Amino acid sequence: DQQVKQNSPSLSVQEGRISILNCDYTNSMFDYFLWYKKYPAEGPTFLISISSIKDKNEDGRFTVFLNKSAKHLSLHIVPSQPGDSAVYFCAASDSGGSNYKLTFGKGTLLTVNP
Amino acid sequence: NAGVTQTPKFQVLKTGQSMTLQCAQDMNHEYMSWYRQDPGMGLRLIHYSVGAGITDQGEVPNGYNVSRSTTEDFPLRLLSAAPSQTSVYFCASSYFRDTEAFFGQGTRLTVV
Repeated sequence: DQQVKQNSPSLSVQEGRISILNCDYTNSMFDYFLWYKKYPAEGPTFLISISSIKDKNEDGRFTVFLNKSAKHLSLHIVPSQPGDSAVYFCAASDSGGSNYKLTFGKGTLLTVNP
Repeated sequence: NAGVTQTPKFQVLKTGQSMTLQCAQDMNHEYMSWYRQDPGMGLRLIHYSVGAGITDQGEVPNGYNVSRSTTEDFPLRLLSAAPSQTSVYFCASSYFRDTEAFFGQGTRLTVV
C-alpha cells in the first residue's frame, strides 16, 4: 500500500509560468514533509520541507502548501526555469514514531520548456 | 567537505556473486540509510541506522545486510546477487531524524 502518492508521472510547463506538483498521503501519523529534486545520474537533493504545524513554507521561488485535512501537499515553483527540469520526489515521515524513515512517492518529472 | 560518498559508481555482477556497496559521510551525521530506485517505483528504503551499532530494516530489506561500526561508514552487502537487485542504489545521511537528508551520487548495479 503506497502511503505517499504522486499521481502525475510528468508535468510540462512553459518557462516563466507556475509549476504545481502534487502529493497525497494516507498515513495520518505523517507530520513532516519534504521535497527533493533529482537530476539524471545524480543523487536527490533537498529542496524544501514543512512541518504539520504549518500550512505554508516559502523559500525563494519554491513554496510548499500543506492541507492536513485533505492529506495533500503541493509544491509551487514560480517562475519556472529550464534548470528546474528534474524529477521531484515528495517524502514524509512520522516524527513521533520510534523508527526513523522517510517514505517517498514515485516522483514527478517536471519539464520546463524555454 | 565531501558530503556522502558512494563507491563504486557502476558495477556489473553475475547472479550469485556477493559484493559490498560502500557509503561514507564526513558530516558527523547520526542517521544513515540505503535506498534503491527502480523505474516507476520511486525511492524505497532498504535499511537504515540511527547511530553506530544500531541498524534496522526498511521497506525492502531481503537480500541485503548492513552494519554500522563507525559513524562515518554504512556499507550495504549483497550476499548472493539476483537479477531483481538490478537497480540504482542511494545512500543518505542526516543529522536529525527529520531534517533534510544528503544523498550520495548513487551506484548503478546490474546483475546478469
